[in-house]
Amino acid sequence: KAGVTQTPRYLIKTRGQQVTLSCSPISGHRSVSWYQQTPGQGLQFLFEYFSETQRNKGNFPGRFSGRQFSNSRSEMNVSTLELGDSALYLCASRGKTNTGELFFGEGSRLTVL
Amino acid sequence: LAKTTQPISMDSYEGQEVNITCSHNNIATNDYITWYQQFPSQGPRFIIQGYKTKVTNEVASLFIPADRKSSTLSLPRVSLSDTAVYYCLVGDLSLLSGSARQLTFGSGTQLTVLP
Repeated sequence: KAGVTQTPRYLIKTRGQQVTLSCSPISGHRSVSWYQQTPGQGLQFLFEYFSETQRNKGNFPGRFSGRQFSNSRSEMNVSTLELGDSALYLCASRGKTNTGELFFGEGSRLTVL
Repeated sequence: LAKTTQPISMDSYEGQEVNITCSHNNIATNDYITWYQQFPSQGPRFIIQGYKTKVTNEVASLFIPADRKSSTLSLPRVSLSDTAVYYCLVGDLSLLSGSARQLTFGSGTQLTVLP
């Protein structure tokens, strides 16, 4: 079956703009989580959604938000972009509610100028 | 919040066994330990997961001592294609417990396998 799909793969924005990234999970997976990856900070957890509800949240400012739709697709939004928001944004889905591996997409690479 | 610590880098030679340790001193009762492998420009890929003692699959073993404050990923007979960054993830994976816990990745270990 198809893997996790993230769009767009690459995008360039300027400071102050906002951006919306999309993630389509593996069919049947109801959990979607988001991560920011930068060379200096590694992989940092943003938030996780399950059944359209945010279940967990990382230590990021309120400019970072997300949502999940009834078909389990998820979007994350970053408002008022800063240079430091330049990163690879990864989403992952999983099917099991108790354990289970995370299946990652290839990421959306955001560059803020 | 289970902060994790891993070595930044490790070198090995083809055919050797590699052990990568992750420290997670304040791991919680409901936390699982999962290891991922990441190649450049790709998302991480699941290797193995465990809760306690030893877990083995076709590609790796995971050793977790009784106090669960650390874990060791063991890769038998590595090859050049095992050159990648390895992450440990510690967290409460339950979506039904109602707890709002973060999923904490280690800083990653760059494993370089030399010929």
